[in-house]
Amino acid sequence: DVKVTQSSRYLVKRTGEKVFLECVQDMDHENMFWYRQDPGLGLRLIYFSYDVKMKEKGDIPEGYSVSREKKERFSLILESASTNQTSMYLCASSRLNLRDGNQPQHFGDGTRLSIL
Amino acid sequence: GIQVEQSPPDLILQEGANSTLRCNFSDSVNNLQWFHQNPWGQLINLFYIPSGTKQNGRLSATTVATERYSLLYISSSQTTDSGVYFCAVWTGGFKTIFGAGTRLFVKA
Repeated sequence: DVKVTQSSRYLVKRTGEKVFLECVQDMDHENMFWYRQDPGLGLRLIYFSYDVKMKEKGDIPEGYSVSREKKERFSLILESASTNQTSMYLCASSRLNLRDGNQPQHFGDGTRLSIL
Repeated sequence: GIQVEQSPPDLILQEGANSTLRCNFSDSVNNLQWFHQNPWGQLINLFYIPSGTKQNGRLSATTVATERYSLLYISSSQTTDSGVYFCAVWTGGFKTIFGAGTRLFVKA
């Protein structure tokens, strides 16, 4: 089975801090994704990566950056945390299919981040 | 862009009852996936079903791509089925479009 591991289930940080959320997958997937989930807004894509050092902006990249130095690891960075970034963050991975552009996504358990 | 609509938005069942959840999409899709998000927030893959019918235990899913809908069937529901069910579609790129979900509560 695919295993996507997020470093923390719950995290509390202060406004202005630099926050790192880590995600590791063990299935050699090319694609990795970061989403945030908020009540009434559903899942929104922040960033995705289709290869090491490659990244593409999703729907809501403002205030975030990402890093993918190794294939198995995809980090989400909040450069200067703000209270409106309090949310559930979900990481996912999938195999790249050149014809369809995507294969089933597998999600980590999520990180509930609170910014005080 | 493509619209994904799920119905019903909320559903309450007595344990043992059957239910059908629906996902409509407004344009052609390459692939479709059903997820269950449990009360602890974990998103669990149920089906990867671009077309046809699949079954896994008490759950089954059918996608009719030409008519732009997918159905998720839950039979003999259990309290552990509670949570939110999402469908997600791909249109050929990297973007995944999620529906708003169906919130299910199964009463003991």
